[in-house]
Amino acid sequence: AQKITQTQPGMFVQEKEAVTLDCTYDTSDQSYGLFWYKQPSSGEMIFLIYQGSYDEQNATEGRYSLNFQKARKSANLVISASQLGDSAMYFCAMREQGSGNTGKLIFGQGTTLQVKP
Amino acid sequence: GAVVSQHPSRVICKSGTSVKIECRSLDFQATTMFWYRQFPKQSLMLMATSNEGSKATYEQGVEKDKFLINHASLTLSTLTVTSAHPEDSSFYICSAGNPANQPQHFGDGTRLSIL
Repeated sequence: AQKITQTQPGMFVQEKEAVTLDCTYDTSDQSYGLFWYKQPSSGEMIFLIYQGSYDEQNATEGRYSLNFQKARKSANLVISASQLGDSAMYFCAMREQGSGNTGKLIFGQGTTLQVKP
Repeated sequence: GAVVSQHPSRVICKSGTSVKIECRSLDFQATTMFWYRQFPKQSLMLMATSNEGSKATYEQGVEKDKFLINHASLTLSTLTVTSAHPEDSSFYICSAGNPANQPQHFGDGTRLSIL
């Protein structure tokens, strides 16, 4: 069975500083995908970054980077230069192998990030 | 712009009413869509996988007769909450699957409140 764990229910960070949101996963699949989504209070799910299990380099997208440690089964999200607009709930998710190209996502519990001015 | 449209964004209705929520993929064909439910401050819980032209696949514990899913075309899936009760009040959100290595795109969600 697949499982995603986010152990930080809530995090605070000072504006302009960097913050790391933790995510660990458990799977017996060799091929899988890891995603991070941001959910502001309005509810929409905003895709941030993706890491494939066979990707050798850590994914980066602007201020977002993913610290992928395959042996430890961790996929932590690093947000650099935090902005007030980064305050939101953040979800780590894993896509199952198989199911064609449209595998469902399994989500972690989420981490609420608050950026302090 | 949005690639998945979900409608309505908010519904308030009386107990016993059936409520239909639509999820449309706007610029791609989606043979598979997913329906999630989310309670405040909690994670997204997958309810069912909507398959175009065939029956939906429900997750364990989700009542098929309560949450009817229809995926009649490659761009539209609907979730109908039948005879809704206050305990069905929640945030429902859909997503459409994309080819491998691409993110699923989510609708903006529907806040359902049953009085």
